[in-house]
Amino acid sequence: GAVVSQHPSWVICKSGTSVKIECRSLDFQATTMFWYRQFPKQSLMLMATSNEGSKATYEQGVEKDKFLINHASLTLSTLTVTSAHPEDSSFYICSAEGGREKLHEQYFGPGTRLTVT
Amino acid sequence: GQNIDQPTEMTATEGAIVQINCTYQTSGFNGLFWYQQHAGEAPTFLSYNVLDGLEEKGRFSSFLSRSKGYSYLLLKELQMKDSASYLCAVTGGGNKLTFGTGTQLKVEL
Repeated sequence: GAVVSQHPSWVICKSGTSVKIECRSLDFQATTMFWYRQFPKQSLMLMATSNEGSKATYEQGVEKDKFLINHASLTLSTLTVTSAHPEDSSFYICSAEGGREKLHEQYFGPGTRLTVT
Repeated sequence: GQNIDQPTEMTATEGAIVQINCTYQTSGFNGLFWYQQHAGEAPTFLSYNVLDGLEEKGRFSSFLSRSKGYSYLLLKELQMKDSASYLCAVTGGGNKLTFGTGTQLKVEL
């Protein structure tokens, strides 16, 4: 149980275009999902907390107009990188809280590697 | 603010025991996690400590001292597949995870 999927697993896009990444909890409902970014040989940095049916809460320094987050249902959150630039190239990982019985656990998706050319 | 420190790299021998330390200074504390991450993959959950003491789970154990802001992950009977990055993470309010920089463990023959 507690499987989280992400789509796509990797994407290459041209500078100036937008990219949407999906995060789904497959076998549980996730009221809260989290979006992280990880640059090579660095740790995960929390970008934003996504709550179903409400606006996402962004961490300091993360541009909310550039990284659009939508959490329309209890099993799906999306991150759209708008007007992507090469410096946005990174490994984007989502996680979902583990439901009523495992509130303290976050289950991570497999990640999406974004390369902006 | 949150400050979490781990050694950057460690090397150990197959079959041996290794201890990875983590110290933290955080404005709030609900619990401490350890995750394993292989290169290019997402982190996988290893352990969760909220109370002081040792939690044992197979070859992996995790220890927490809240008063000292200190945790360690103990890996026994090391295998080559244990070569990975080990991330210490702390939750404050709202279940947000703050990760340390990670410790890259290399297991050698």
